[in-house]
Amino acid sequence: EAAVTQSPRSKVAVTGGKVTLSCHQTNNHDYMYWYRQDTGHGLRLIHYSYVADSTEKGDIPDGYKASRPSQENFSLILELASLSQTAVYFCASSDQQGVYEQYFGPGTRLTVL
Amino acid sequence: GDSVTQTEGLVTVTEGLPVKLNCTYQTTYLTIAFFWYVQYLNEAPQVLLKSSTDNKRTEHQGFHATLHKSSSSFHLQKSSAQLSDSALYYCALSRRSNNRIFFGDGTQLVVKP
Repeated sequence: EAAVTQSPRSKVAVTGGKVTLSCHQTNNHDYMYWYRQDTGHGLRLIHYSYVADSTEKGDIPDGYKASRPSQENFSLILELASLSQTAVYFCASSDQQGVYEQYFGPGTRLTVL
Repeated sequence: GDSVTQTEGLVTVTEGLPVKLNCTYQTTYLTIAFFWYVQYLNEAPQVLLKSSTDNKRTEHQGFHATLHKSSSSFHLQKSSAQLSDSALYYCALSRRSNNRIFFGDGTQLVVKP
């Protein structure tokens, strides 16, 4: 079964601080994604990557950076956290075969104070 | 571009009665597949149904959906709602060109006794 893990599972950060969210997958998938979830906005794509050492901007990349140091790992970085970035963040992975179904991690609840 | 529309933000239904969640889409690209994802409280989204065949009924866990390309729809239905069906449901489509999935805003289903 597909396995995507995220750390930390929850975090409280201060405004202006740096936050790093980590994602690890053991699916041997090429594609990885970062989404944020807010009530009323569903899942919005922040960044994604289809190969190590390369990342692509999604629909809402402002205020976020991403890093893909290996096929298995994908990080989301908030250099200067802001109140508006309080949300639940999901990582997902998929491969290039079939219908591109995405497998999600358990999520990270980020609260910026 | 691509878009997925879920007209209802909240659907409330009494246990044992039928339920229908609406999903329509717009796309100018070659799509791979259409999905319904379900997200239970404090869990990650997971695939409930997927389809890539026009006019073919797909079923899983008592839910069913039929892709109708003529009307650009992929509505989710169940003949008898259960309390355990209460969750957030996302309609989504995947596109061939960049391995992305486009999600609707989600429909919260509440099943009452």
